[in-house]
Amino acid sequence: SQTIHQWPATLVQPVGSPLSLECTVEGTSNPNLYWYRQAAGRGLQLLFYSVGIGQISSEVPQNLSASRPQDRQFILSSKKLLLSDSGFYLCAWSRGQGGETQYFGPGTRLLVL
Amino acid sequence: GENVEQHPSTLSVQEGDSAVIKCTYSDSASNYFPWYKQELGKRPQLIIDIRSNVGEKKDQRIAVTLNKTAKHFSLHITETQPEDSAVYFCAAYPPSGNTGKLIFGQGTTLQVKP
Repeated sequence: SQTIHQWPATLVQPVGSPLSLECTVEGTSNPNLYWYRQAAGRGLQLLFYSVGIGQISSEVPQNLSASRPQDRQFILSSKKLLLSDSGFYLCAWSRGQGGETQYFGPGTRLLVL
Repeated sequence: GENVEQHPSTLSVQEGDSAVIKCTYSDSASNYFPWYKQELGKRPQLIIDIRSNVGEKKDQRIAVTLNKTAKHFSLHITETQPEDSAVYFCAAYPPSGNTGKLIFGQGTTLQVKP
């Protein structure tokens, strides 16, 4: 069966510091991968998605970036965090080649102070 | 592109009553409609889904109906229980480019009062 991991689970960072969040998927090959952000009490905002290694599409212009160095690894980064970057970051995967159902990871709660 | 509107944004019901959440979509090519439940502080989890070749699907106390002509679909929860309290998200899948992108509604906060 497939499993999706995210770490860290929680993170408190000062404004202006860098960020690196990691997501890995087990039990499947060539998945589509997604990063979402959820502000407190709000909906799901798609940030990035990837259909393969090195292929990243950005949905929202911002100070975040994403990379996919390996087939089942997805990384979200920032060089300098803003207060507005606080939120719940969710990674998700779907089966490649048109898989519709997305499965979410446990999330990383980020607080920028 | 596809747009999904979800109503109501909040819903409060008494335990044992039914709850209905409605979503409308704009892209008639969308062919897959999942519903996710997100409990406080946790990840969204798929609870039921429906494809465009089906009008209704049931799973115990949960059902989803789809009206392709009107481009709307609804989640029905019967005999609600306090553990049904959560945020519910609908989504639509427009089949373009194999990206697997889902377009989510804004979410409905359901409160079931004991």
